[in-house]
Amino acid sequence: ETGVTQSPTHLIKTRGQQVTLRCSSQSGHNTVSWYQQALGQGPQFIFQYYREEENGRGNFPPRFSGLQFPNYSSELNVNALELDDSALYLCASSLARREETQYFGPGTRLLVL
Amino acid sequence: AQRVTQPEKLLSVFKGAPVELKCNYSYSGSPELFWYVQYSRQRLQLLLRHISRESIKGFTADLNKGETSFHLKKPFAQEEDSAMYYCALGGGTGFQKLVFGTGTRLLVSP
Repeated sequence: ETGVTQSPTHLIKTRGQQVTLRCSSQSGHNTVSWYQQALGQGPQFIFQYYREEENGRGNFPPRFSGLQFPNYSSELNVNALELDDSALYLCASSLARREETQYFGPGTRLLVL
Repeated sequence: AQRVTQPEKLLSVFKGAPVELKCNYSYSGSPELFWYVQYSRQRLQLLLRHISRESIKGFTADLNKGETSFHLKKPFAQEEDSAMYYCALGGGTGFQKLVFGTGTRLLVSP
């Protein structure tokens, strides 16, 4: 069984740029969720994808967008980067039921200068 | 609004001492509660969830709906328990969403 993987591990961007983060879900999982974890905080839900469609979103502006592919892997795109976007971005995969466990990847650390 | 509160940023105990990590939640529906743990240089991983009512690595947590709490307990702490612990509330209508607390760092000294 392969766990959740994310790429890249680290990334440095400048304000105003765009970034794409990638996630491969755990084998057999059809749902991917993305979280943002700022320093000293718990992870915050960005959105969730199920069968290639966004089916839930947290309090993040539209410049945060995503995709899910037929193999259930996913991308998180952030446009017009701001300094406050500097954070650890976590991807989690699961089966599509509310009580199911979400399995997290190691995260991508994004620094916006 | 869904909210999870972990009042302690840091809990420091000696090996063999009892541990209680506090978690309170706010949710109008039927809660799904989880404890996640992050050991140094490792990914966030599930420790236990209330629905399964099991004990993992000696840790237990009981959901108290009256007090809206889901405290994590262990009778005798071990040095390897030192880690960051996050309480999380499962929510969302028609989709999954975890609302996390800010976490408590547990430090177990020899």
